Amino acid sequence: EADIYQTPRYLVIGTGKKITLECSQTMGHDKMYWYQQDPGMELHLIHYSYGVNSTEKGDLSSESTVSRIRTEHFPLTLESARPSHTSQYLCASSEGSGFGYTFGSGTRLTVV
Amino acid sequence: RKEVEQDPGPFNVPEGATVAFNCTYSNSASQSFFWYRQDCRKEPKLLMSVYSSGNEDGRFTAQLNRASQYISLLIRDSKLSDSATYLCVVTLHYGGSQGNLIFGKGTKLSVKP
Repeated sequence: EADIYQTPRYLVIGTGKKITLECSQTMGHDKMYWYQQDPGMELHLIHYSYGVNSTEKGDLSSESTVSRIRTEHFPLTLESARPSHTSQYLCASSEGSGFGYTFGSGTRLTVV
Repeated sequence: RKEVEQDPGPFNVPEGATVAFNCTYSNSASQSFFWYRQDCRKEPKLLMSVYSSGNEDGRFTAQLNRASQYISLLIRDSKLSDSATYLCVVTLHYGGSQGNLIFGKGTKLSVKP
């Protein structure tokens, strides 16, 4: 039973389109994260948030942006998708320091 | 030096084998430690936390050596369903990125019949 939800699961879209990847959690967690992961490769942190109106860039530079207007919702937006954005995007949330993360099922994005 | 280092594998073992994964971390102030499991094309899932005294969960045993900054995961009597990538994870509870988990690149395990 998932407490963190990502939509869509799969997205194929043309170059230049604006896209928003949705992430919602029902656990009341303040901390939320976005990771990018290519097949067989390591996780790269691209954005994180410690609460409403708090967003920070992660270790990997990304052309995406995020917002955190509500605790439960942490969407990621690409203003103009490019083939180089093709990847899996994973959202996660955490109860706080010292606790592990719960990941969503991911969005597999393909930009053609 | 990477903050969390793991042997990438792959480890190819027969069913029933015992396999051990090792991991080292660079920041001696790290305070919490975990092993995650990630199946192919799926999200990572928490396998177990790692405690200073070592801990066991069924066929899985995790050990932590703070002096050597070393974490291990032992899988006994391996099953086909254990095939996955195992991620070593550490975190600091304070500082600029307080609580952010630091993931290793993962060690791939393939259990064969």
